[in-house]
Amino acid sequence: DIVMTQSPDSLAVSLGARATINCKSSRSVLSRSYNKNSVAWYQQKPGQPPKLLIYWASTRESGVPDRFSGSGSGTDFTLTISSLQADDVAVYYCQQYYSTPLYTFGQGTKLEIK
Amino acid sequence: EVQLVESGGGLVQPGGSLRLSCSVSGFIFNDFAMQWVRQAPGKGLEYVSASSTYGESTNYADSVKGRFTISRDNSKNTLYLQMRSLRVEDTALYFCVRAARGYSYGFYFDYWGQGALVTVSS
Repeated sequence: DIVMTQSPDSLAVSLGARATINCKSSRSVLSRSYNKNSVAWYQQKPGQPPKLLIYWASTRESGVPDRFSGSGSGTDFTLTISSLQADDVAVYYCQQYYSTPLYTFGQGTKLEIK
Repeated sequence: EVQLVESGGGLVQPGGSLRLSCSVSGFIFNDFAMQWVRQAPGKGLEYVSASSTYGESTNYADSVKGRFTISRDNSKNTLYLQMRSLRVEDTALYFCVRAARGYSYGFYFDYWGQGALVTVSS
C-alpha cells in the first residue's frame, strides 16, 4: 500500500497568516495515463464529514475559496492557505487515489488559530 | 443537489451483524462508483470498500475482507454495506462516499454523507 505521511500533526497559525501542510507519499503517485498527480486534499470540521478541497494535486474544487491552493509532484505535496480565516480551523487530510481502489489517507493535520 | 444519506447504524455486540444503507439523490447513481470510508472516534479516515458503477467489481480493505459485503441496487439508488462478525475495532462513523468518475472505482471523493455510527461493544 502507498503510505501518505503528513506534517506537521498540528499547526497553530495567526489569522491572516499563511498555513502550509505537507504530505509525502511512499512512492510516486503520478498517473501516466492522465499525466497528473493523484492526490486530493480534504477539510473536516468538527461534527461534519470531510469536504473535498483540491484534486489532481492542484485543481481547486468548485466553490472552494482561492486562498486554498495545492502544489507538488511525484511524492511531495503541499496544501497552502494563503491568509488564514477563522472558518479554516479544521483537520486536513491528504489522500492518494493512484492505487485505486486501495485509497489511502494521511493521518491528518489539525489546524488552529494562534 | 447531491445528497447521500446513511442509515442502519447502531449498537451491536461483538460477533454480531449490521447492514448499513446509503440512499442517494441528485445525480445518476449508476454513473458513479461508490465507496464506504470509516472514521473511528477521534481518529483519521480509513477506506473500507468500493463498488463499481453496476456492482460488477468490488474491493475491500484487508481489515474487513471476508466479513463485509458491499452491494448496490441501482433501481433504488441505494448502496449497502453488510457487516458480519463485527469486532470492537470496527466501531466507527461510516461514511457513504461518491467517487469522481475514472477507471472502475473512481478517483477522488467528491461527495460524502453525514455518516452512520456503528458501535461494537458488549
